[in-house]
Amino acid sequence: EVQLVQSGAEVKKSGESLKISCKGSGYSFINYWVGWVRQKPGKGLEWMAMIYLGDSESRYSPSFQGQVTTSADKSTGTAYLQWSSLKASDTAMYYCAGWSKYDAFDIWGQGTKVTVSS
Amino acid sequence: SYELTQPPSVSVSPGQTASITCSGDKLGDKYVCWYQQKPGQSPVLLIFQDTRRPSGIPERFSGSNSGNTATLTISGTQTMDEAEYFCQAWDSSTAYVFGTGTKVTVL
Repeated sequence: EVQLVQSGAEVKKSGESLKISCKGSGYSFINYWVGWVRQKPGKGLEWMAMIYLGDSESRYSPSFQGQVTTSADKSTGTAYLQWSSLKASDTAMYYCAGWSKYDAFDIWGQGTKVTVSS
Repeated sequence: SYELTQPPSVSVSPGQTASITCSGDKLGDKYVCWYQQKPGQSPVLLIFQDTRRPSGIPERFSGSNSGNTATLTISGTQTMDEAEYFCQAWDSSTAYVFGTGTKVTVL
């Protein structure tokens, strides 16, 4: 089965750093763009960033540029999203999703819940 | 920045047709896709490239896109279709923007 498996839930304090992961299985995602999507409790979906696993080319939403960093390890087919200094407002569910040749996110991870206390 | 606007909620009776709109400037010039998200679950792709359904998505889901409005239509709505629905548009200028989301209630 083709899937994206994300790392587990995190509970952090304001100011701490964090790196979450998204690993592809059942398929070679090396030629895939992987996106990161934020969903705050009770709110909608927000596109944050994209990364191409083959060469780590990345793109960011203007709203998230400078706030997060995405990276990738093509040898393991894993994408990462990291924060250098978390804020309480970063509390949310974070999804990774694969962007297909059909111009859509056709595979989604199960989500990583991040809780940041002040 | 580019914005996609959806109605916050739509109500429909079982077996009837629900229409969910997604509005944006010159949206008809871009590809639109639609996702369904049920509580506590990850989104699922319903429609891509305006009108196409991935394998496994029921035929009662259909899409259209013209002018400034894209529409997701659910024909013969079932109680299992109660969920939140998001549109998304993509091109080099809009990037990967999502719509505001619509909660569909089946009652």
